[in-house]
Amino acid sequence: EPEVTQTPSHQVTQMGQEVILHCVPISNHLYFYWYRQILGQKVEFLVSFYNNEISEKSEIFDDQFSVERPDGSNFTLKIRSTKLEDSAMYFCASSESGGAGYEQYFGPGTRLTVT
Amino acid sequence: AQSVTQLDSHVSVSEGTPVLLRCNYSSSYSPSLFWYVQHPNKGLQLLLKYTSAATLVKGINGFEAEFKKSETSFHLTKPSAHMSDAAEYFCVVSDRYSGTYKYIFGTGTRLKVLA
Repeated sequence: EPEVTQTPSHQVTQMGQEVILHCVPISNHLYFYWYRQILGQKVEFLVSFYNNEISEKSEIFDDQFSVERPDGSNFTLKIRSTKLEDSAMYFCASSESGGAGYEQYFGPGTRLTVT
Repeated sequence: AQSVTQLDSHVSVSEGTPVLLRCNYSSSYSPSLFWYVQHPNKGLQLLLKYTSAATLVKGINGFEAEFKKSETSFHLTKPSAHMSDAAEYFCVVSDRYSGTYKYIFGTGTRLKVLA
């Protein structure tokens, strides 16, 4: 069964550094998403992406963050000048369509630790 | 704005006994609702979804959920718990009128199954 993959599974970085989190969505999906879960808190929406542009972003997704689909398979989340509070599990998801009834398929997540 | 409330952060049941995980939603519109499960070190897996068709929804692994509009609830049930059901469960509402259908997550319920 097709699945969303994410690399790395765990990333440790120093405060102020830039990180790029990688995702390979399911191949025929058109909508892509990033969510994050700070330890002990709920999963929060960051951004959605369709047709090579951001469809919607949350208040969390400020200028520190960016997303890119550099080729036909990868979908990346870049975090510039990381802060301690960026430590979280980051989930990538994809869906076949953007309609309400279309489920999103999630990757296993990347745990980002900022020291 | 749409929201979901998971009423129990932890639920413990004995193997072979019924499971009930409670979820209430808030929505101005007819919502799309989902239950996801997360096993340790795994991604979020869809258990079932409600998208305005039958109010009793059957999912994988013997789980089902009933959409009750009058009670604004979407509780997850299973007649007989297995040890392999031990995981974290998330109730999700799809935010329907905000451009892209982002997910709004509940805070999660950790299910423990006792031998």
